[in-house]
Amino acid sequence: DAGITQSPRHKVTETGTPVTLRCHQTENHRYMYWYRQDPGHGLRLIHYSYGVKDTDKGEVSDGYSVSRSKTEDFLLTLESATSSQTSVYFCASQGFSYEQYFGPGTRLTVT
Amino acid sequence: KQEVTQIPAALSVPEGENLVLNCSFTDSAIYNLQWFRQDPGKGLTSLLLIQSSQREQTSGRLNASLDKSSGRSTLYIAASQPGDSATYLCAVSVTSNDYKLSFGAGTTVTVRA
Repeated sequence: DAGITQSPRHKVTETGTPVTLRCHQTENHRYMYWYRQDPGHGLRLIHYSYGVKDTDKGEVSDGYSVSRSKTEDFLLTLESATSSQTSVYFCASQGFSYEQYFGPGTRLTVT
Repeated sequence: KQEVTQIPAALSVPEGENLVLNCSFTDSAIYNLQWFRQDPGKGLTSLLLIQSSQREQTSGRLNASLDKSSGRSTLYIAASQPGDSATYLCAVSVTSNDYKLSFGAGTTVTVRA
């Protein structure tokens, strides 16, 4: 495995508050991704990064922003959390053989 | 837009039986296809990756085949064990620029002891 960690692992927050999720990898992988997983929708890409300070939108990017100031860290920010953003969030990085390696996930509840 | 389908959504088999999991995709111009396993409440674990130029990949009891022209991949798990119970997802990458994955909804497998 690529040694990907996510923090926090669980979070409960109120509607309207900003939330930042952190992903950290130790493998010096260039590509990193944020997904959300919801029943009935499967895994959907939110944002991804192809290098430090290089990011782009995925399929469901509205209401989310990302930043990557170091190779090892990829942050996902919910600018103003809504109940529809209650989900499990997964970070992934792509290895040098093109496999994607996933972190353990963050379960976010917006009340 | 690439659509990935996995049928059936759930499967229950007795221990020792071979498992056959199916994945289909609408756009045959894929870069690679990856099979994952997900245990309840956990992240995804990569099982096998098949490049578009390959026909199959094997790892232990697992074998994955790819027929790009028909938009299909099959994951075979030989001699299933209760520990194989999990959800299996396939995902395809369309481009080599960003390697973004499109996922199927998964097949949940239960192996009965």
